[in-house]
Amino acid sequence: GEDVEQSLFLSVREGDSSVINCTYTDSSSTYLYWYKQEPGAGLQLLTYIFSNMDMKQDQRLTVLLNKKDKHLSLRIADTQTGDSAIYFCAVSGNTGKLIFGQGTTLQVKP
Amino acid sequence: DAGVIQSPRHEVTEMGQEVTLRCKPISGHNSLFWYRQTMMRGLELLIYFNNNVPIDDSGMPEDRFSAKMPNASFSTLKIQPSEPRDSAVYFCASSLGGGNTGELFFGEGSRLTVL
Repeated sequence: GEDVEQSLFLSVREGDSSVINCTYTDSSSTYLYWYKQEPGAGLQLLTYIFSNMDMKQDQRLTVLLNKKDKHLSLRIADTQTGDSAIYFCAVSGNTGKLIFGQGTTLQVKP
Repeated sequence: DAGVIQSPRHEVTEMGQEVTLRCKPISGHNSLFWYRQTMMRGLELLIYFNNNVPIDDSGMPEDRFSAKMPNASFSTLKIQPSEPRDSAVYFCASSLGGGNTGELFFGEGSRLTVL
C-alpha cells in the first residue's frame, strides 16, 4: 500500500531556515499536503501543492516537489518559536484516502 | 464558525468498560473521518464516511471497534470492551468532497486512557 516517510525530529535555532522532508511511494496523488499539529490540538492544513507543480511559495513557506524521486519538502524561512509543532506530510494514494506520514517534530531553540 | 466538535476531550476508564467518542462535523461537510494517533503508530485512519455511509473501515483494528453516523451532523466511535492498548488520541475530521482533494478539518481530539 501507500507509504509516506518522514524523519521524526528536527531542531533549529530561531531565525534559521527549517527543511522538513517527506518521501512517498504512490505517484497518483493529485495534491500533496503539509499539515501542522500544535500541542494538544488537531491537525491544521498548512499548505498544499498540486502534483503538476514543482514549487509553491506562500510567505515564509516553500514547498518543493520532485515527482521523479517522489520527494516533498517544506522549507520554513526565518523559523520562529511559534513554529514549534509536529508537521505531517500527506498524500492521497491510489485508494483515494489521505495517507499521513509519521510526523516530524520541529523544535525551535531561542 | 464552529469547527469539528469532539467529546469528551479526555476520558479515563478501566479495562473492559465501554467507551463512546462523539463527533459533530462542520455543517455542510459530506465526509467524516476517524483517526487514531499514538506515539508508536502515528496517525492511523480507522474509518471514513461519505454522505453518512461507511466507505472504508479497513483501518478499524478489530471487532471491538464500531462507528456509526446516523445523520449528517453526528458520528460515534465505540470501543467495547476497551483495552489498555486502545489508549490514544482519537481525532475526528470532516471535509467537503471526500478528503482526497480537499482540506480535512480536524477536531481537537479525544484523549483516551484505558487503565
